[in-house]
Amino acid sequence: GAVVSQHPSWVICKSGTSVKIECRSLDFQATTMFWYRQFPKQSLMLMATSNEGSKATYEQGVEKDKFLINHASLTLSTLTVTSAHPEDSSFYICSAPPWRTGSTDTQYFGPGTRLTVL
Amino acid sequence: DAKTTQPPSMDCAEGRAANLPCNHSTISGNEYVYWYRQIHSQGPQYIIHGLKNNETNEMASLIITEDRKSSTLILPHATLRDTAVYYCIALADYGGATNKLIFGTGTLLAVQP
Repeated sequence: GAVVSQHPSWVICKSGTSVKIECRSLDFQATTMFWYRQFPKQSLMLMATSNEGSKATYEQGVEKDKFLINHASLTLSTLTVTSAHPEDSSFYICSAPPWRTGSTDTQYFGPGTRLTVL
Repeated sequence: DAKTTQPPSMDCAEGRAANLPCNHSTISGNEYVYWYRQIHSQGPQYIIHGLKNNETNEMASLIITEDRKSSTLILPHATLRDTAVYYCIALADYGGATNKLIFGTGTLLAVQP
């Protein structure tokens, strides 16, 4: 099946620094990728939709200036958490539907990135 | 997209069938029922999806009621590795690239030895 990777798998950073998380589709192209955040014992919360060649669209309540998204190619999207604070500590997960016409294409999820801000 | 309701948790004995219910009474005609699961500290994994017919694959079976207001995911022979949170999502057919998955709280399935 299709594979989505994330890098790094975990990161620890100091408060005030920025952290970049990469999401790659390894064997398919994705014009769209999604970014989720998950706090302990909670469900996944959709943060934003990453669009190749255009601006990301953010869900209500998500600060676009804090969570910078860049979809540089058909296989790579990056999420940068700027000026990270301890409350940004979370599990960040990306997903990508394969780019093809038609419906009901399933989404493939990355393994997630555990961010801990000290 | 229609709201789905699932029990927060279920137990199942290893080797037995696990039947996970999902209520989606407001589902519309163009919405599919998707099931994903998330094993602890991993990304979600696609299991199965269907529109109105029952579906089966190598992982599970999906039974959708005739009125489409509810469905059941069946893991025929649960193993300890099936312990996970299972999410039922109703999703309209807008084309893969725009299908945002909105996760509810899901059902934590605990398979007991």
